[in-house]
Amino acid sequence: QITLKESGPTLVKPTQTLTLTCTFSGFSLSTIGMGVGWIRQPPGKALEWLALIYWDDDKRYSPSLKSRLTITKDTSKNQVVLTMTNMDPVDTATYYCAHLLRVGGHDAFHTWGQGTVVTVSA
Amino acid sequence: DIQMTQSPSSLSASVGDSVTITCRASQTISSYLNWYQQTPGKAPKLLIYATSSLQSGVPSRFSGSGSGTDFTLTISSLQPEDFATYYCQQTYSTALTFGGGTKVEIK
Repeated sequence: QITLKESGPTLVKPTQTLTLTCTFSGFSLSTIGMGVGWIRQPPGKALEWLALIYWDDDKRYSPSLKSRLTITKDTSKNQVVLTMTNMDPVDTATYYCAHLLRVGGHDAFHTWGQGTVVTVSA
Repeated sequence: DIQMTQSPSSLSASVGDSVTITCRASQTISSYLNWYQQTPGKAPKLLIYATSSLQSGVPSRFSGSGSGTDFTLTISSLQPEDFATYYCQQTYSTALTFGGGTKVEIK
């Protein structure tokens, strides 16, 4: 069974850096075809993809947020860390991490964490 | 970026109805299209990947079709647990994008 759980601060101040950790079990991020992604959802709004890291350490970022994001993995700890710099109130959202599986060349987020709410306010 | 446009943004339907949601990509994405379901307060759940492949455990009343730029999600006989928001997602480009969502409400 695959599970993922996000952890990090619930409240950050404007201009601060947000660091979120995704701790997962049930798969290894060193296995071909695996990945972990981050997606956020502002209150009442749609999903927004942020970043993705693959088993081979290939990293992808949302073009609109690329300058602010860094994604890394620690395979031995089964963790993926996302940092987002220069936080702003518009970054207030629920942040999800999700397990990406490549099947037949097609990527999809097959399992999601429960999400963590991050509020940006002074 | 590839823009994904869903229509309608919301719809009202009754239990037993057949419902179709459309997703249009701003450029061709071949068959690199996934569908997710999200109920209030919960994380999204994968329904369909690669346009038409049903995720394990998802009821067969859900189906997907399309190719290129135009895709559909059909729920053949709406059940009470299907009232939710549905999102499409393209994975054709290195920058993944989601559609704006379609909320399916009870009539």
